[in-house]
Amino acid sequence: DQQVKQNSPSLSVQEGRISILNCDYTNSMFDYFLWYKKYPAEGPTFLISISSIKDKNEDGRFTVFLNKSAKHLSLHIVPSQPGDSAVYFCAASGLGTSYGKLTFGQGTILTVHP
Amino acid sequence: NAGVTQTPKFRVLKTGQSMTLLCAQDMNHEYMYWYRQDPGMGLRLIHYSVGEGTTAKGEVPDGYNVSRLKKQNFLLGLESAAPSQTSVYFCASITESVGTYNEQFFGPGTRLTVL
Repeated sequence: DQQVKQNSPSLSVQEGRISILNCDYTNSMFDYFLWYKKYPAEGPTFLISISSIKDKNEDGRFTVFLNKSAKHLSLHIVPSQPGDSAVYFCAASGLGTSYGKLTFGQGTILTVHP
Repeated sequence: NAGVTQTPKFRVLKTGQSMTLLCAQDMNHEYMYWYRQDPGMGLRLIHYSVGEGTTAKGEVPDGYNVSRLKKQNFLLGLESAAPSQTSVYFCASITESVGTYNEQFFGPGTRLTVL
């Protein structure tokens, strides 16, 4: 049973437009949701996170929205840049004994065309 | 700061051989993790450690052992490698929580092929 799902394997957008990456989860006990970015032959790097008690978190061009009733979160990148082309992973975790133990989605390959 | 480093970067094993993957972090983090990533899948947790001398099983621990003899190092061992263990292995570390979630740092990965 996959607790975190990214149903879109890939997304292609034009430079300057908005990129929207989606993620669904099933476990209502998650306390935090995170987005990681991964380039080929490198480890994932942290992008942005959101607590389960919030519905939006913004950091520069990146905004994460959380809809708890729908168990859905999304990452918005505005404006998209060619350097944003990478694999994006949605992940979830908790506090307490679950702290640090990330459950990942399958990833979405984002391609931003100049 | 080197952050999280992994040794080796690549390795090819024959079925039944053993090896140890080394993870080192210089951020004085308490918690360390080993994940594996397979094609079309996200990272899955193998084992983790919440402090020097402690280890615990994650989601996919079978066929692996770990040790955390020093705070800065976390070793992942394969006693008898199988083709199903062909994967990219990532180590990660994070500092303790004080009520919020902190950034988790990942190493560059070890690509392991078992023939």
